[in-house]
Amino acid sequence: DVQMTQSPSSVSASVGDRVTITCRASQYISSWLAWYQQKPGKAPKLLIYATSTLQSGVPSRFSGGGSGTEFTLTISSLQPEDFAIYFCQESKSIPVTFGGGTKVEIK
Amino acid sequence: EVQLVESGGDLVEPGRSLRLSCAASGFIFDHYAMHWVRQAPGKGLEWVAGISYNSDRVNYGDSVRGRFTVSRDNAKNSLYLQMNSLRAEDTAVYYCAKHISRYNWNDAWLDAWGQGTLVTVSS
Repeated sequence: DVQMTQSPSSVSASVGDRVTITCRASQYISSWLAWYQQKPGKAPKLLIYATSTLQSGVPSRFSGGGSGTEFTLTISSLQPEDFAIYFCQESKSIPVTFGGGTKVEIK
Repeated sequence: EVQLVESGGDLVEPGRSLRLSCAASGFIFDHYAMHWVRQAPGKGLEWVAGISYNSDRVNYGDSVRGRFTVSRDNAKNSLYLQMNSLRAEDTAVYYCAKHISRYNWNDAWLDAWGQGTLVTVSS
């Protein structure tokens, strides 16, 4: 199975900051990568799939990039509602694997 | 509006069984693969099982293979997870989730999730 490693595990940032989270795959996964946002007590929400395709309704300050084994999620200008945990997920084949998560905290 | 509502979570003793259900509405259920994903308290997400739109494909995570069985009843717009030989490490919130694209088994992006149901395995 593919292993997914996210970094950092947490980041402290202020409103308006640019934040970038990295996800590395243990093997080549092409563009089979998604990002989810999870707020406390809530289910995850799909933000981006196929590396860079924004899910409907997701603000354009979120963007995804990369390919192969290294991927990024960037929030261009952090908003108060963006403080949450972010997970990457590979979908090269089923079973799929999630990264360990990155907590974005208020500085 | 897509809605997924899980039920069946409970406190059970190790070795016992439990069946989870997920009631779906707001989309054509029998067009989409469905999945179960779990999250242990304070931990990350773990994919548990998936089933294709017509049940011809199923797969399981390594930690549950041989103990859990996923199924669906398209006539009832429902997804199920039969969990046998439960262990303490199965304690988690269990989410059902919808595959993003119709009839697809690959590119398993999950675009709708239920609110989750808590399973606690403890004596």
